[in-house]
Amino acid sequence: DAGVTQSPTHLIKTRGQQVTLRCSPKSGHDTVSWYQQALGQGPQFIFQYYEEEERQRGNFPDRFSGHQFPNYSSELNVNALLLGDSALYLCASSYILASNQETQYFGPGTRLLVL
Amino acid sequence: KQEVTQIPAALSVPEGENLVLNCSFTDSAIYNLQWFRQDPGKGLTSLLLIQSSQREQTSGRLNASLDKSSGRSTLYIAASQPGDSATYLCAGPHLTAGNKLTFGGGTRVLVKP
Repeated sequence: DAGVTQSPTHLIKTRGQQVTLRCSPKSGHDTVSWYQQALGQGPQFIFQYYEEEERQRGNFPDRFSGHQFPNYSSELNVNALLLGDSALYLCASSYILASNQETQYFGPGTRLLVL
Repeated sequence: KQEVTQIPAALSVPEGENLVLNCSFTDSAIYNLQWFRQDPGKGLTSLLLIQSSQREQTSGRLNASLDKSSGRSTLYIAASQPGDSATYLCAGPHLTAGNKLTFGGGTRVLVKP
C-alpha cells in the first residue's frame, strides 16, 4: 500500500512564474491538506480539500489555489511566484470520518526554489 | 487563535541521555496533540497521538504526556541514539478548526555518538 506521494520532488522557478504541485493520498483517504514549510519553521496550513471542494483555508493569498479530483488526488497551484514562496510544500491525507482521532499521513514534500 | 511553541529550538546531547522536548499551546480546546519527526528535507512521520481525553501515550522508547489545563505536552525519548537526531514537531487540531493542524516551530535534536 503506497503512502502519500507527491511530485515533483524538487522544482526551480523564477519570480512571476506559475507552478503546479501534485499529491496522491494514502489508499482509503478522502481528504487532502496542503502545508507550506519555510526553512527552519514549522509547517503552515494552506488549505484542505474534501469532495472536490475547498473545506478550510489558512492565511494565504489567492495566488495559492487548489483542486481535488474524483480519485481524491489533489493539485496545489501558485501564481505569480515570489521569492518568499520558496519552501517545502507538504501534502497530508486523512479519512474525514476519522480525521480527529487518527493522525494525518504526510508525503515526502516538494522542495520549491524561486529565483 | 491557537499558537504552539516549542522550547528549546535546538538540543544537543551525548548518546544514552534521555531527551525531554516541550510543547505549549495557548488554547486547550484541542481534539488531540500529535508529535512528528522530520529528517532534513523530508516529510513528517507521526510518532505519537494523544487524544484530548488521555494523559499520555507510549511507543517503545517514546512517551508523550498531555496536560490540557496547563496547555503543555512533553515528549520523552529514553536512552537516546544517534539515529534519534532529527527535528521533532508537535501539532494539534483545534475543536473549531476541523483537522487543520497548527504546528510549533520544532526542536532540532542532535545526539552525539
